[in-house]
Amino acid sequence: EVQLVESGGGLVQPGRSLKLSCLASGFTFSNYGMNWIRQAPGKGLEWVASISSSSSYIYYADTVKGRFTISRDNAKNTLYLQMTSLRSEDTALYYCAREEFNYGSYYFDYWGQGVMVTVSS
Amino acid sequence: ETVMTQSPTSMSTSIGERVTLNCKASQSVGINVDWYQQTPGQSPKLLIYGASNRHTGVPDRFTGSGFGRDFTLTISNMEAEDLAVYYCLQYGSIPRTFGGGTKLELK
Repeated sequence: EVQLVESGGGLVQPGRSLKLSCLASGFTFSNYGMNWIRQAPGKGLEWVASISSSSSYIYYADTVKGRFTISRDNAKNTLYLQMTSLRSEDTALYYCAREEFNYGSYYFDYWGQGVMVTVSS
Repeated sequence: ETVMTQSPTSMSTSIGERVTLNCKASQSVGINVDWYQQTPGQSPKLLIYGASNRHTGVPDRFTGSGFGRDFTLTISNMEAEDLAVYYCLQYGSIPRTFGGGTKLELK
């Protein structure tokens, strides 16, 4: 069974840093691209960042570029999101999601339960 | 950035009704659109990928269609478990962008 379990969230002051982790199991982690997607309280979904299976391709939303860094450790089956210079608008539930590529289409077929990040003084 | 605009933002429906949700891209994205369903307190679930391909296990009452800028998700026979927020996502260009969502409620 595919499982994605996020951790590392919490309450952090503006300007500080936080690192999220997503532990994957039930599939060959090194074969899949992975993504972070967030959802502010009561709001919609926002794609944050993606990383290819071998870390060769990395992309970010403009809202986090230069502040967030996505990375992965295939030996540990773990995806990371290092967040720096946090702002109140980064307050959200952060999901990690597996990316599948099939018949020319990309999609997020498995999602974690999410981890809450609250940026407040 | 490709902006995805969903309409309506909310809709009151009845069980058994046919429901049509719309998603419009600010520029052509080909067929590079997915649809996700999010029920309260749950993570989003994939319904449709590549504009019209139903994901494994998704009931056949869900149908996706469209190409270019205009996309539609149709629920042919609304069931209570379909009360949720639905999001479209384009992956034709970076950044990937979600629509703002359409919330389905009971009349």
